[in-house]
Parts: sequence; C-alpha cells; structure tokens
Amino acid sequence: EADIYQTPRYLVIGTGKKITLECSQTMGHDKMYWYQQDPGMELHLIHYSYGVNSTEKGDLSSESTVSRIRTEHFPLTLESARPSHTSQYLCASRGGAAGYEQYFGPGTRLTVT
Amino acid sequence: GENVEQHPSTLSVQEGDSAVIKCTYSDSASNYFPWYKQELGKGPQLIIDIRSNVGEKKDQRIAVTLNKTAKHFSLHITETQPEDSAVYFCAASKGSNYQLIWGAGTKLIIKP
Repeated sequence: EADIYQTPRYLVIGTGKKITLECSQTMGHDKMYWYQQDPGMELHLIHYSYGVNSTEKGDLSSESTVSRIRTEHFPLTLESARPSHTSQYLCASRGGAAGYEQYFGPGTRLTVT
Repeated sequence: GENVEQHPSTLSVQEGDSAVIKCTYSDSASNYFPWYKQELGKGPQLIIDIRSNVGEKKDQRIAVTLNKTAKHFSLHITETQPEDSAVYFCAASKGSNYQLIWGAGTKLIIKP
C-alpha cells in the first residue's frame, strides 16, 4: 500500500470559491505529480515537481496552481472554481532507489455547481 | 510530439479466457513501459513493467511483451477472474527522469 494521501476525497463547492486540494506522501519521493481525470478516462498531467521549490506545468492547460515548499507536501489550488473544473484529481509521487514507479493517491472527486 | 496509442478502448471477455491489450509508442528513445490497473474509486496501481533490454516479462497470470522494432508492447492476462475487471493504462518513458506518456486506457470487463 502506497503512503500517499489526498484530502478531501469528495468536494462539492459553488462557483467562484477558492479551493485547495491536499496531497502528502511519506516516502521521501522527490518527484510529485497532479493529474486530472474524468472517471475511467485518460490521465492528463497538469502539474509536476522534481523537488522543493520546483514546479512545472504539464501537458494539459490548467487554471490551477501548485506549490512545493516541503518534500512531502504538494497542494493544488484553484483561485476561482468553475463548473468546467468538475473532475477527479489524482496526485502521484515517484522516487526511491528504482525511481520508476509512480504511486498514486486515491484521488479527490471535485464537483463545482 | 510523443504519444502512446492504446487499443481496444473496451474489452469484454468470458471469465477464464485470456485478455490482450496493445499499445504503440512513437518515441524510439523510450525504454521503460509500465502497465497500471485502476479499480473503481481508486488511483492507478502498477501491475507490471518492462525495460527495453528484455522482450517479455511474466508475473503469475500477467505478462508483458515488447517489440522494439515495431514500437509496440502488449499486456496479456490469462485465466481472467472477476477481480481483473478494471481500467488498464499503458505508458512509456525514456527513463526515470522523464515524464510518463500515458495511453488512453482500456476498460476490461470480465463476464461471469
């Protein structure tokens, strides 16, 4: 079982609200990722980080922002939620001796009304 | 740009039969090919992977084959069971410091 956590698991929020999705891992991995996924559909990389104070945008344009102040923590923020942001958000981390496997959290299902 | 194509998008097989999912990749420098399984309500989980220096890898009922010349790799599941029902994703990368390029996923349905 991977030690990567996401909160909240489910969130229903109104348009215009600011939200932060939390992601933490206890494996000491340097690389962390945020994906957007409609349930059972393709994974779209929206942000990634290769270490503290390192963040990059992914392939899918996103209005969200991320920060990496601590190795274990990689929160994602939406300043003003819109119905188009309704989706599932998956956090993952990668690192360790082998360095290849990505470990995923359980995801946050976001609904913006 | 780099891409990974995955087929089929949905696969329905009778319990006990075999299932095969295929992926092709575009970047000839890719050298790492994982397969992830995503069950309902969960994040994807690695089930098997292969490096470009081998052509086949097996783990109990699951196997992956790689054809570097044709730039394609496949997931084989034998003696399918109800718990194999899930969405399966293939991916490719050039190494641990590079991004994974993901396939679009295959929904595998095991019929009782």
